[in-house]
Amino acid sequence: NAGVTQTPKFRILKIGQSMTLQCTQDMNHNYMYWYRQDPGMGLKLIYYSVGAGITDKGEVPNGYNVSRSTTEDFPLRLELAAPSQTSVYFCASSSQDNEQFFGPGTRLTVL
Amino acid sequence: KNQVEQSPQSLIILEGKNCTLQCNYTVSPFSNLRWYKQDTGRGPVSLTIMTFSENTKSNGRYTATLDADTKQSSLHITASQLSDSASYICVVSPYTGFQKLVFGTGTRLLVSP
Repeated sequence: NAGVTQTPKFRILKIGQSMTLQCTQDMNHNYMYWYRQDPGMGLKLIYYSVGAGITDKGEVPNGYNVSRSTTEDFPLRLELAAPSQTSVYFCASSSQDNEQFFGPGTRLTVL
Repeated sequence: KNQVEQSPQSLIILEGKNCTLQCNYTVSPFSNLRWYKQDTGRGPVSLTIMTFSENTKSNGRYTATLDADTKQSSLHITASQLSDSASYICVVSPYTGFQKLVFGTGTRLLVSP
């Protein structure tokens, strides 16, 4: 089992550019999540999904979009990158309200 | 407002020594409290999960305690090793929904040889 994998590991974007952060899990978990972690702050939930075709907003969804066409994949889309989106992004998955397994993260810088 | 506060913010200890990290929370009611370890540049990894009815949970050299009356939890690390150098994050899951986890900002631990 690879667990939760994320690509890319690092990315630098210019203001206004768009990109998709990829997340895949091979544990057959129904629940998947996207978080951002800013320096000195706790993780904040961006979006989550309770199953294929079902997504919902978390605490800080503005500027992001998600889709969940399969159980395994949960990509996060940034349409118009802004400096405020500079952060480390973590994808996680779980089976219901159990232990969440996190990916290695994507470090994004918007200049 | 649901909050999780951790102390100290950072800590340096000598290899082989014990240490205790603190977590105070205002989340109520809550379903469970979790401790995660996050190595630099990596994602968090779960150490323990305790429901509101549990007082203590161990995972090797890590022992978490929970006092639901005072809304406090602690993580005790015994006989520290260099590999324990990491951030330790306390996370509370509200009873109202697993998707509303409240994360603390973490305690950064450095174990020095």
